[in-house]
Order: sequence, then C-alpha cells, then structure tokens
Amino acid sequence: GAVVSQHPSRVICKSGTSVKIECRSLDFQATTMFWYRQFPKQSLMLMATSNEGSKATYEQGVEKDKFLINHASLTLSTLTVTSAHPEDSSFYICSARDLLAGGADTQYFGPGTRLTVL
Amino acid sequence: GQNIDQPTEMTATEGAIVQINCTYQTSGFNGLFWYQQHAGEAPTFLSYNVLDGLEEKGRFSSFLSRSKGYSYLLLKELQMKDSASYLCAAMDSNYQLIWGAGTKLIIKP
Repeated sequence: GAVVSQHPSRVICKSGTSVKIECRSLDFQATTMFWYRQFPKQSLMLMATSNEGSKATYEQGVEKDKFLINHASLTLSTLTVTSAHPEDSSFYICSARDLLAGGADTQYFGPGTRLTVL
Repeated sequence: GQNIDQPTEMTATEGAIVQINCTYQTSGFNGLFWYQQHAGEAPTFLSYNVLDGLEEKGRFSSFLSRSKGYSYLLLKELQMKDSASYLCAAMDSNYQLIWGAGTKLIIKP
C-alpha cells in the first residue's frame, strides 16, 4: 500500500519559535496533500489542502500566516507553525491522496507529529 | 449541513463480533471510508464503499446503503489488538472527506 512519512515524530519547542513539519509520499506521487490536527479524544480537523505548485486552501478559522504550507514537489509538503504558542500543542497529521484500484481515491496518513510548545 | 454520526464508544468481548454503525449527510457523495486509529497514532485505511452492498476483507467487512445514508463496519473474531478508535468518513461532491468523531472500541478478554 501507499506509504507516507512524516518528520519529526515529536518536537518540543519554546513559545515564539517556529517549527517545520515535513510530509513525504514515499512510493507514489501525491498531487494533493492534507494537513490535519487532532486534539486528545477528538476526531481529525482538516486545516488545509495542499496542491502541488499552488497555494494551499485553508479551512475556515485556520490562520494562513501562522500555518505556512509549501507543496513544492509531488512527494513533499511542509507545514511551518510560526511563532508557536502553547495552544498550538497538538497532534499534526498529514495525508496524501492516492488512487485505489478502480479509480476511487483515498487518503493515506503519515504517522503524525506531536508538537509540544512550552 | 454535512454531518457524520457514529457511536462514541462500544465494548465487545474477545472472539465475538461487533458492528459499528455510521450515518452520514453530505453535499454529494463520492464514497464512504473506514479508518482505524490506535491511541497516539495516525489513522490507517480499512475500507472504501461507493456502491450499495457488503465488501468483505478478511475479518473486517463494510456495508453501505446510499439510499439510507448508512454504513457499518463489521469486525469478526475480535482480537485484543482491535481495541482502537474507528473513524467513519464520507467524501462529498468536492472530494473532501467529512469525518465522524470516531467510535472507541474496547475489547474485553
């Protein structure tokens, strides 16, 4: 099956610093990648949709200047949390869209990045 | 509006069968997905249904009724490792996934 990697898996940073998270599709090309965040015991919340070579589409309530997304190639998307604050502490998960046999597309998830802002 | 409903939590016994239901309302429909998520980990893909009927894949099966806006995930011969959250997600006309809150499945010996 399709494999998506994410780096780093865990990061602890000080308030006010920036953190970059990488998402890579390892064995397929992903024209579209998605960034989610998940708080404890809650479901996934879509933050933005990242299309290769174009600007990301952000969901309502997500600050595009705070969560910078770059999708420079068909296998790499990055999320930069700028000027991080403790309330940004969360589990950030990326996914990449791939086609199943038969044409249906689904999303395969990276392992997630647990961000803790002190 | 768009909405996905599934039970918050279910409990079952090792070796038994459990059915997790999901109802959905979306703007357009391009398929229904089930994902498994263990605590602290990202979701993993289990199944996809776009046509009515039952799709069987080993111990797991998924059913869809488009006319009723209803799906279920059936887990047979439950094992302790099946303890996880099961997320139902429907794809709308814009090919966006609308996620349910997840069903936490607790397996008891």
